[in-house]
Amino acid sequence: QKEVEQNSGPLSVPEGAIASLNCTYSDRVSQSFFWYRQYSGKSPELIMSIYSNGDKEDGRFTAQLNKASQYVSLLIRDSQPSDSATYLCAVNIRGGSYIPTFGRGTSLIVHP
Amino acid sequence: DTEVTQTPKHLVMGMTNKKSLKCEQHMGHRAMYWYKQKAKKPPELMFVYSYEKLSINESVPSRFSPECPNSSLLNLHLHALQPEDSALYLCASSQGQVLSPLHFGNGTRLTVT
Repeated sequence: QKEVEQNSGPLSVPEGAIASLNCTYSDRVSQSFFWYRQYSGKSPELIMSIYSNGDKEDGRFTAQLNKASQYVSLLIRDSQPSDSATYLCAVNIRGGSYIPTFGRGTSLIVHP
Repeated sequence: DTEVTQTPKHLVMGMTNKKSLKCEQHMGHRAMYWYKQKAKKPPELMFVYSYEKLSINESVPSRFSPECPNSSLLNLHLHALQPEDSALYLCASSQGQVLSPLHFGNGTRLTVT
């Protein structure tokens, strides 16, 4: 089992819909969870971080964390074509490590 | 604008060349990283410096040589590379704590001919 797993997609949603991106991780003692957005040919950009169970909202983005299920998700409301990118889930696993492990990323396509 | 600056943006080099990639951050971060990223793959960790000391080397071939002259600067010296080393090279920095996210530079697109 990989340490951080994501479906590579592509996930295709219509403009205005909610895009739901999912990530599971293997280490129960993980403490930090991050979502990065990466446009083609560009570097990753941090869009959300979450550390406690529950939801964290920032504008159109909501991160959800369930440590019991070892599951973290990212919801994008009112999806726009400009949201089309690869979304990387990163988890600081190995209990106490400050170095994140990345999932393979999910490609999101928002079509007009 | 990114607060981590990488130069050059693009680099084309032959297999016998020696070149260097440079990275600079002024956020007071204690940890700096080099990642390699191939198309449609996640970033792959190469090296980590913590307080200017090399703390992690992920079994990277010796043709890649990192250097951290001070807390703000990180270099990656390249020598005798292979065409398969062509990739996007990303520098990142962080506070070096469990809750700290990475801040990436814009990357250097390297092509080895």
